[in-house]
Formats: sequence, structure tokens, C-alpha cells
Amino acid sequence: KAGVTQTPRYLIKTRGQQVTLSCSPISGHRSVSWYQQTPGQGLQFLFEYFSETQRNKGNFPGRFSGRQFSNSRSEMNVSTLELGDSALYLCASSRSSYEQYFGPGTRLTVT
Amino acid sequence: EDKVVQSPLSLVVHEGDTVTLNCSYEVTNFRSLLWYKQEKKAPTFLFMLTSSGIEKKSGRLSSILDKKELFSILNITATQTGDSAVYLCAEGPGNTPLVFGKGTRLSVIA
Repeated sequence: KAGVTQTPRYLIKTRGQQVTLSCSPISGHRSVSWYQQTPGQGLQFLFEYFSETQRNKGNFPGRFSGRQFSNSRSEMNVSTLELGDSALYLCASSRSSYEQYFGPGTRLTVT
Repeated sequence: EDKVVQSPLSLVVHEGDTVTLNCSYEVTNFRSLLWYKQEKKAPTFLFMLTSSGIEKKSGRLSSILDKKELFSILNITATQTGDSAVYLCAEGPGNTPLVFGKGTRLSVIA
């Protein structure tokens, strides 16, 4: 069974630009959660989608948004990038709300 | 605000040592306590604990939860260099998302 895949794996952007990251969950998983991981703050929850609906949202500014498609694939978008947005962005999928399987992450560097 | 605190933040041990990693939590509505291992990128699931006092084991790793004192420990016996990783503890999930601690970085040297 294929795991969670995320694209791209690495990304370099400049301040003010916008970026879109993609996550394909494990087949049959309908819940996709996104996390931001930085050395100082650890893993912080961004949002969760279930059946194309945002079910939960973390404490991030409106520049961070996401969506989920009918095939459960999810995208997250960050607009007007800031230096502090440099981080590893992880997505995780689960069949129910329990055991979450993480993807390899997208390393975003903002210069 | 729900909070998960891990200690120590980092640890260096020699191969063969036994280590204990700590995780304490303060949450409004406890659901379960999860442990993950993160080596390079993707955290991989280790244990989920919901009941107090019941040890979960997987090879040289074991974990236990104390719901009265609000903490969990992860033990690794006979450590190997392959155990070097960041170990993450999280509370949840359910209808609200996982709350993660900042992790313990374990380095095992030969």
C-alpha cells in the first residue's frame, strides 16, 4: 500500500510570493491534516480536512489556507510569504481520527 | 490551552544504554497519548496509550501512561545507533487535532 506522498519535497521562494503544496493520502483515508514543523516551535497543527470539509483549524493567520478534493488529495496554500514561514510542512492522513500516517514533508525555504 | 511537554529536549547516550523519555500533558479532555519517532522527515507511529498502567511493548521499546499524574514515559533498552531520532509525544486525536510536544532528540553514539 503506497504511503502518504507530498510534492514538492523542497521549495525555495522569496518573500511576498505565494506557494501551493500538495498531499496525496493513503488510499481509503479521508482525513488529511497539515502541520508546520520548525526547530523553535515543534509540530504545530494547521488544519484538518475530512471529506472535502475543513474540520479543524489551528492558530495560523489567514495567509495559510487549504482545500481537499473529492479524491481526498489536499493542497495547502501560503500567500504573501514571510521569512518565518520557512519550515517543514507535513501532512498526515488517517482512516478515522486515530492513527495518523505522515508524509515525508515539504521543506520550504523563504529568502 | 492544551499543552504537551517533553523532557529532556536532547540526550546523548552510548550504544547499549537504556533511556527513558518523558512526556507530561495538560489537556481539557484527554483522549489518548501517542508516541512517534522522526528520523529524517516523516514521523512514524510507535504507540498509542489510552489506559493507565498498561505497558505497551515493541521490541526494545516500551511505553506506559499514568493518567493520574498526567504523564507517559518511553523506554528504550539496549540502545543502538539506529535509535537516534527525535521522539515526539502527542495528545489526541478525536474531533480536535493532535497536540504535539517539541520532541526529544536522542543521539546514540557507538
